[in-house]
Amino acid sequence: KQEVTQIPAALSVPEGENLVLNCSFTDSAIYNLQWFRQDPGKGLTSLLLIQSSQREQTSGRLNASLDKSSGRSTLYIAASQPGDSATYLCAVGGMNTGFQKLVFGTGTRLLVSP
Amino acid sequence: EAGVVQSPRYKIIEKKQPVAFWCNPISGHNTLYWYLQNLGQGPELLIRYENEEAVDDSQLPKDRFSAERLKGVDSTLKIQPAELGDSAVYLCASSLGGLAGGTDTQYFGPGTRLTVL
Repeated sequence: KQEVTQIPAALSVPEGENLVLNCSFTDSAIYNLQWFRQDPGKGLTSLLLIQSSQREQTSGRLNASLDKSSGRSTLYIAASQPGDSATYLCAVGGMNTGFQKLVFGTGTRLLVSP
Repeated sequence: EAGVVQSPRYKIIEKKQPVAFWCNPISGHNTLYWYLQNLGQGPELLIRYENEEAVDDSQLPKDRFSAERLKGVDSTLKIQPAELGDSAVYLCASSLGGLAGGTDTQYFGPGTRLTVL
């Protein structure tokens, strides 16, 4: 059974800092890995999707890497801003009945102070 | 383009009462998902539809939960009777579907927050 762990559970940084969020998973037989953002009282917004054959994806100030063999992914946020404050969830797309099934981590709650 | 729509946004009921949640996916999306999210946890899949067919309902507690997706568009998730432990956020998501893995990004609705008293 796939298990996804995110460290740290919470992170507080001053504005402008670069930061790294970590995600680890136990089963390397994955299709892809996604990073989501969740704001309080709202649904999830997909930030980046990395296919199992890829090593990283970038979008603006965000960079996500994937090391499938070691079961790890990192989300790098450059020059953090107060608007980045949210919960960040990592989700692994596993091989289940041929269709994508996401297994989520418990998230990292990020607070960026002005 | 409208995103995934869910209603109601909030629901408070007493235990043993029935409750239903409604989801309208993004137009053209064949795959629809219902997730349960407990406080401080990541979402957990309850059921996945490919058009009208429930292709993965292994995590759905079938003694009290039921779901349907008539005509392969809107979906309803029902709990009857509700228990205290059902208090959570129920999220609906949709994706284009039809692909084995690949780039099938899921788009989430805002969720329904259920409180069972």
